Amino acid sequence: GNSVTQMEGPVTLSEEAFLTINCTYTATGYPSLFWYVQYPGEGLQLLLKATKADDKGSNKGFEATYRKETTSFHLEKGSVQVSDSAVYFCAHSSASKIIFGSGTRLSIRP
Amino acid sequence: NAGVTQTPKFQVLKTGQSMTLQCAQDMNHNSMYWYRQDPGMGLRLIYYSASEGTTDKGEVPNGYNVSRLNKREFSLRLESAAPSQTSVYFCASSETVADRGYGQYFGPGTRLTVT
Repeated sequence: GNSVTQMEGPVTLSEEAFLTINCTYTATGYPSLFWYVQYPGEGLQLLLKATKADDKGSNKGFEATYRKETTSFHLEKGSVQVSDSAVYFCAHSSASKIIFGSGTRLSIRP
Repeated sequence: NAGVTQTPKFQVLKTGQSMTLQCAQDMNHNSMYWYRQDPGMGLRLIYYSASEGTTDKGEVPNGYNVSRLNKREFSLRLESAAPSQTSVYFCASSETVADRGYGQYFGPGTRLTVT
């Protein structure tokens, strides 16, 4: 069935380090792919998205490329900041709903 | 433009009590959703409403009912609360359920504890 698998956390990095959070999906057809971010005590916010193969979504220095051949949508950022500490969710759309991964907690040390 | 609002923010219930969680959106979206978030389990869809006048079960509907009151409002009711329903509940909305890459917009959540 449709699912999203993302790397387990927590992920702890130092400020200015390079970030990668892996995400792979299983789906029928050609779903849209999303990354959401959840800051403490808040709801999820859409961070970036890609709607077709080879599209790159980007926002706030984060990027992810829709790789159909590897069914992946890995999240990257070249230089993380303390303010990036949050939980990140990968997701894909199916016909009538969005399927979320279990989330990856990211902590950035000053 | 408030986006998606939810009330209450926090609630404590005793086992067997009932309550309704309220959700409203001001983005003129057609579709609305209720999720629960539990540690280590991500988000699980409880119910959704593709459009005004329709509701459908999600992944974990047992113990819940919903009402799509109008295009703006979508409520979630617990008729007889159980400790297993202790969770954080999120309401979300989107332009449509069809896959057009719009994504969903989330409210701030309701933290519910059932003792």
